[in-house]
Amino acid sequence: GIQVEQSPPDLILQEGANSTLRCNFSDSVNNLQWFHQNPWGQLINLFYIPSGTKQNGRLSATTVATERYSLLYISSSQTTDSGVYFCAVGVSNAGKSTFGDGTTLTVKP
Amino acid sequence: ETGVTQSPTHLIKTRGQQVTLRCSSQSGHNTVSWYQQALGQGPQFIFQYYREEENGRGNFPPRFSGLQFPNYSSELNVNALELDDSALYLCASSSGASHEKLFFGSGTQLSVL
Repeated sequence: GIQVEQSPPDLILQEGANSTLRCNFSDSVNNLQWFHQNPWGQLINLFYIPSGTKQNGRLSATTVATERYSLLYISSSQTTDSGVYFCAVGVSNAGKSTFGDGTTLTVKP
Repeated sequence: ETGVTQSPTHLIKTRGQQVTLRCSSQSGHNTVSWYQQALGQGPQFIFQYYREEENGRGNFPPRFSGLQFPNYSSELNVNALELDDSALYLCASSSGASHEKLFFGSGTQLSVL
């Protein structure tokens, strides 16, 4: 099956700093999503981005499908951005996704 | 528009028992997927239900089974619980199309003692 590798595994930032999270995947995919899991376990869908670039406020994401990687950018980080960020990929519908092990982000005030 | 809801939020069982977890999909979504998330890991795909039929399964044994009802809600059943089944169980709904976002419920935290 597809392998998904996320880096870095852990990231500690001061409030206001910018960060880049990376997701590498081992095979061609038809869907790719980024999620934020808050401290209460809720997974929030940030982006559906199998290719190209999208922006939503302070967050943006870029997927280069031909090179099998995706990047999530967080600008002007806030303490509420803390949590675990997951990349999930799949070859059929989005419900059958393979997740990476996540990047744990801690934003300090 | 209602989101994905799961019940119960927490559950404690002993080894060998059986458990049923429930999920109501987001309105307008006919596809439900179940995931298991062990501590410190990403969610792992268990199976998916579409129009009341299983539509794909991950690497989980047959003691993990499910149902989907005509209103698209779903159940996950686990028989003969093992200690390693302790995890957060997440339900996600989607419209079933290939280019759709996945929306998750808050999960059920299962502890097997």
